[in-house]
Amino acid sequence: AQKITQTQPGMFVQEKEAVTLDCTYDTSDQSYGLFWYKQPSSGEMIFLIYQGSYDEQNATEGRYSLNFQKARKSANLVISASQLGDSAMYFCAMRESFTDKLIFGTGTRLQVFP
Amino acid sequence: DTAVSQTPKYLVTQMGNDKSIKCEQNLGHDTMYWYKQDSKKFLKIMFSYNNKELIINETVPNRFSPKSPDKAHLNLHINSLELGDSAVYFCASSHRGVNTEAFFGQGTRLTVV
Repeated sequence: AQKITQTQPGMFVQEKEAVTLDCTYDTSDQSYGLFWYKQPSSGEMIFLIYQGSYDEQNATEGRYSLNFQKARKSANLVISASQLGDSAMYFCAMRESFTDKLIFGTGTRLQVFP
Repeated sequence: DTAVSQTPKYLVTQMGNDKSIKCEQNLGHDTMYWYKQDSKKFLKIMFSYNNKELIINETVPNRFSPKSPDKAHLNLHINSLELGDSAVYFCASSHRGVNTEAFFGQGTRLTVV
């Protein structure tokens, strides 16, 4: 069954440091997509980065990179050079080709301190 | 131009009432979703429509009825509102396929009193 797990309910990081947010997934589908979204306190859902199951290279978007380890079924988000504005909830999500359903993990609340 | 817009942004209503939330997207997407985000921030998919056809209907009370008059609109009607329906409801849209991200509306905060 399609499942996304985020085991870190909360994380703290100092400004300018890097932080890794964990995400593991479970699927029997061979074709799937993995996504990360940010939800600041204002409430909107902001797409950050995407990784396809057949992509051999890790995705990067500016300060965001996705550490994709297919055999371990993990898709961790790495934020480099954290900024105060990175404080938010972060959600990992997965979309399978079979169901075309986009499901989310429980989220990690990241707090960046000066 | 707003890509995915929901109205209203806030909705406060009494138990037992019927209410609707409207969603429109101008991105040309063929798939639209409704999600419910509870007080613990968990995002649960409720419904998914593709080209006006219902393709995902999760375990949701039948008091919730989605309606898609066309590809660009997906409305959510809720009958006999209960206290437990209080949540933030998000509409989203995307192209079909695993490699396309979903775009979300700003959310509708529903409070049932």
